[in-house]
Amino acid sequence: SAVISQKPSRDICQRGTSLTIQCQVDSQVTMMFWYRQQPGQSLTLIATANQGSEATYESGFVIDKFPISRPNLTFSTLTVSNMSPEDSSIYLCSVQGHWGYTFGSGTRLTVV
Amino acid sequence: SQQGEEDPQALSIQEGENATMNCSYKTSINNLQWYRQNSGRGLVHLILIRSNEREKHSGRLRVTLDTSKKSSSLLITASRAADTASYFCATDENTDKLIFGTGTRLQVFP
Repeated sequence: SAVISQKPSRDICQRGTSLTIQCQVDSQVTMMFWYRQQPGQSLTLIATANQGSEATYESGFVIDKFPISRPNLTFSTLTVSNMSPEDSSIYLCSVQGHWGYTFGSGTRLTVV
Repeated sequence: SQQGEEDPQALSIQEGENATMNCSYKTSINNLQWYRQNSGRGLVHLILIRSNEREKHSGRLRVTLDTSKKSSSLLITASRAADTASYFCATDENTDKLIFGTGTRLQVFP
């Protein structure tokens, strides 16, 4: 299976600012995903990060709010833009390989 | 979007008892997976059951799948305090992406 390094592990941000979360995988993977987990809730898929093309967003999520980059098969970033307290959540990246799925340890974001 | 519902939302039992959690989903699937998440920590993959399988075992875990009812259950036998966590089912909707259920919070008292 793959090993994911997700950074930062946590951050406290001012409202109106943006935070970029990085996801680095130790092997090339085709499929990378970004999830949000609001406090006490389950994981909600934000988007599929496509290498070399625009991400595919799920209903309720838009590129202007959650821009995603995928420059190669081992790296992706998710930006949470113009943050408000409602964006306080854990954000997780995930990859799919022949072994199944691996999840990063998550970024705990608090917006004040 | 959430694929489906899990019940109960919360479950409290004593050590040694069995815990059963149910998951219902909405679309056809290739497989269904169960994950555990300890408070504030990452996801741990527990078990995967394919759509052509009806039951699968792994240690103290038993998973069933009924594709006609679009439902699955996770049974943890002889529970331990260390089993205290949130449990999520996840389905693939015949795609590469995983969609999670709402989850069950399990509390096991020593």
